[in-house]
Amino acid sequence: GQNIDQPTEMTATEGAIVQINCTYQTSGFNGLFWYQQHAGEAPTFLSYNVLDGLEEKGRFSSFLSRSKGYSYLLLKELQMKDSASYLCAVRGDSNYQLIWGAGTKLIIKP
Amino acid sequence: EAGVAQSPRYKIIEKRQSVAFWCNPISGHATLYWYQQILGQGPKLLIQFQNNGVVDDSQLPKDRFSAERLKGVDSTLKIQPAKLEDSAVYLCASSLVASVSDTQYFGPGTRLTVL
Repeated sequence: GQNIDQPTEMTATEGAIVQINCTYQTSGFNGLFWYQQHAGEAPTFLSYNVLDGLEEKGRFSSFLSRSKGYSYLLLKELQMKDSASYLCAVRGDSNYQLIWGAGTKLIIKP
Repeated sequence: EAGVAQSPRYKIIEKRQSVAFWCNPISGHATLYWYQQILGQGPKLLIQFQNNGVVDDSQLPKDRFSAERLKGVDSTLKIQPAKLEDSAVYLCASSLVASVSDTQYFGPGTRLTVL
């Protein structure tokens, strides 16, 4: 079967750093996406990893290890506006579709 | 560049009624997706179009759901008759072309409440 696991909820403090993990077991792998979704809004694209290693984009970085079926999203210098759900999605072999995790709700406290 | 447009944003209906949602993708995007997202869960793919053809509708409950993209641009998703368990957000997404690195862009969604 296909499975993507993320923690349900995490809490962090404004200004701090948080790491959101994602593990996956899929039939085929053609890249991993991270999306941010604020409550009541649509998911917005954050990052795409297809090769092992770290991709940095401003305050956000994403890491991938294909051999371990593992990724994380690192958020630095947390701001209150970062309170949102973070969705991990893997592109499998079937019609380039995305297989989605349930998302991690990140709560930022002052 | 305009994003993915969806309407209505909110809809409340009673069970057994019918409802339709509309989506206009980003200009030039050949691939269009309809997802169902239940609170606290990730999006679940209902149907994928490539231009005006269906690529995958294996998870679409065809006894009550239907979707079309007649001219390969905008699309409608219909539910008839609705059930309580259809209460969810219906998201439309589009991408330039279905490929390995292609990114999906989402519309604001339609929040459906079935009473």
